[in-house]
Amino acid sequence: KNEVEQSPQNLTAQEGEFITINCSYSVGISALHWLQQHPGGGIVSLFMLSSGKKKHGRLIATINIQEKHSSLHITASHPRDSAVYICAVDYGGSQGNLIFGKGTKLSVKP
Amino acid sequence: DGGITQSPKYLFRKEGQNVTLSCEQNLNHDAMYWYRQDPGQGLRLIYYSQIVNDFQKGDIAEGYSVSREKKESFPLTVTSAQKNPTAFYLCASSVSDGTYEQYFGPGTRLTVT
Repeated sequence: KNEVEQSPQNLTAQEGEFITINCSYSVGISALHWLQQHPGGGIVSLFMLSSGKKKHGRLIATINIQEKHSSLHITASHPRDSAVYICAVDYGGSQGNLIFGKGTKLSVKP
Repeated sequence: DGGITQSPKYLFRKEGQNVTLSCEQNLNHDAMYWYRQDPGQGLRLIYYSQIVNDFQKGDIAEGYSVSREKKESFPLTVTSAQKNPTAFYLCASSVSDGTYEQYFGPGTRLTVT
């Protein structure tokens, strides 16, 4: 069964801390997505990557294809970063549907 | 502004009633998806459509039905056959099938009592 595991499930940090969220998957993929879900429920796509590293502002996403592992880093964390971060993988089926992790709930305290 | 709209944000129904959730996109995307989210679980695919007048079942299609009569619209009907319909429902779209970024709507929280 193709699964996506995220860790930690919950994360509390102080403002300014460097944060890492991890994602592991079981078989080869064509792409991995990092998504952000705010308390209201809407989801925003942060990154889609299939190799290497991408950076957007204070967010950095990396992927190691050989180890089947990706990390999402947040530098200089801020209370507005508080959200659920979701990893999702595309195993390359023609339909493009994703397999989702359960999410990591991040709370950044001022 | 381009995007995906879902309405309403909150929906309440009595058990035994069918209910239809709206999803509209003006991104000119071919592919559209419906996901269900339950507490402590990852999103699960209900139905997807790669093109107008065609759709496929996802992992948890039982008790749901969809239509895709227009490119921009992909409504989801939660029927009385769905045993546990209370959940958060998310619609998404992407340029086409295959590996493309998916854009999500704001979601509809359905409560059935």
